[in-house]
Amino acid sequence: QSALTQPASVSGSPGQSITISCTGTSSDVGSYNLVSWYQQHPGKAPKLMLYEGSKRPSGISKRFSGSKSGNTASLTISGLQAEDEADYYCCSYAGGSSYVFGTGTKVTVL
Amino acid sequence: QLQLQESGPGLVKPSETLSLTCTVSIGSISSRSYYWGWIRQPPGKGLEWIGSIYYSGRTYYNPSLKSRVTISVDTSKNQFSLKLSSVTAADTAVYYCVSLYSNNWIFDYWGQGTLVTVSS
Repeated sequence: QSALTQPASVSGSPGQSITISCTGTSSDVGSYNLVSWYQQHPGKAPKLMLYEGSKRPSGISKRFSGSKSGNTASLTISGLQAEDEADYYCCSYAGGSSYVFGTGTKVTVL
Repeated sequence: QLQLQESGPGLVKPSETLSLTCTVSIGSISSRSYYWGWIRQPPGKGLEWIGSIYYSGRTYYNPSLKSRVTISVDTSKNQFSLKLSSVTAADTAVYYCVSLYSNNWIFDYWGQGTLVTVSS
């Protein structure tokens, strides 16, 4: 059960769109529509941003969207804002009631 | 809205057993819609799922930690617990207790996290 692969960092200017990829295998991301994304600000607990690949929990901005193709899931943040600067983690169900997280991506708003 | 709170020693000696408890408030740990779990994050590093438990006591563990992990539940106290044996410095991390919503298999509520340092 290896960690899902994410880029270490992604940056963008306010108002721009950025995309974070999350690459797994046919045993996790590729097999289930159960990828979730979490946002973590420094010193805080992670916060659920998307689930089942593209669904937003109540209260999450429509600027956050998700998709999946094969073994890779993606999170897109449109209209980038200063408050979006944080670490982002993907997470996939990996079968047998187990879960695997991504390596994490630091988003910087320039 | 669930609330979860971790408690336990912040310092554990190498080779000893790390023990943490999570208290669930404003909600029942016996809810059939939820599993309960532990996730950890070493300083400056990423998240790692440790394991999950259902109110019935059925457990699921990360294969990489399975030999050292025990998660248990006490429905009478609305609590669940983590024990990690034979700890080393590599087990130093912030430990989060979480709720796992079984309708969508999401970690929807998190405790604030507690830092456990393994050091002599």
